[in-house]
Amino acid sequence: AQSVAQPEDQVNVAEGNPLTVKCTYSVSGNPYLFWYVQYPNRGLQFLLKYITGDNLVKGSYGFEAEFNKSQTSFHLKKPSALVSDSALYFCAVRDGDSGYSTLTFGKGTMLLVSP
Amino acid sequence: KAGVTQTPRYLIKTRGQQVTLSCSPISGHRSVSWYQQTPGQGLQFLFEYFSETQRNKGNFPGRFSGRQFSNSRSEMNVSTLELGDSALYLCASSWGGAGRTDTQYFGPGTRLTVL
Repeated sequence: AQSVAQPEDQVNVAEGNPLTVKCTYSVSGNPYLFWYVQYPNRGLQFLLKYITGDNLVKGSYGFEAEFNKSQTSFHLKKPSALVSDSALYFCAVRDGDSGYSTLTFGKGTMLLVSP
Repeated sequence: KAGVTQTPRYLIKTRGQQVTLSCSPISGHRSVSWYQQTPGQGLQFLFEYFSETQRNKGNFPGRFSGRQFSNSRSEMNVSTLELGDSALYLCASSWGGAGRTDTQYFGPGTRLTVL
């Protein structure tokens, strides 16, 4: 079975500072990894994904994520946080070797960026 | 290109009733997935449809069912509603042709409240 852990329920950061939202995963085959963001009363918006290739993936709104196979991690990062980045962030994994595998989400991490 | 649309956006029902939710995917997308989001359980996968066929199903009771039409629009139905069915129901569409590397794009969700 595949799973995702987001160890922090909430991350607090000051505007202008770098931010990191942590994600670790467990999957039997090759991991396909995704990050989504959810604003209040909205659906999830796709930020970026890792399928193969370069371990550093760049996505929307200045976000990037680093895939680390040995640590089974896929942390989301941004060099300089904005107040408007405050939202709920979800990491998700799919088994790349398992037929029509489903997407499994973590519990989410609330990011609060203070002015 | 229009995004994923879900109707209705809000719904209030009483226990024992049934409900039907609708999802129109992005034009050209043939795969539709449904998720239930609650504060306690997070995002849980319900089912996935591709070209009118159910391709995957999550661990939900038989009261939860779905279908997909030839134009890729999808509906999900919940019969004999229980208080615990109160949740945000999210629909996500993807092209379907890339299989496991597909990105899912989410609609705004339907907020179901069961009284």
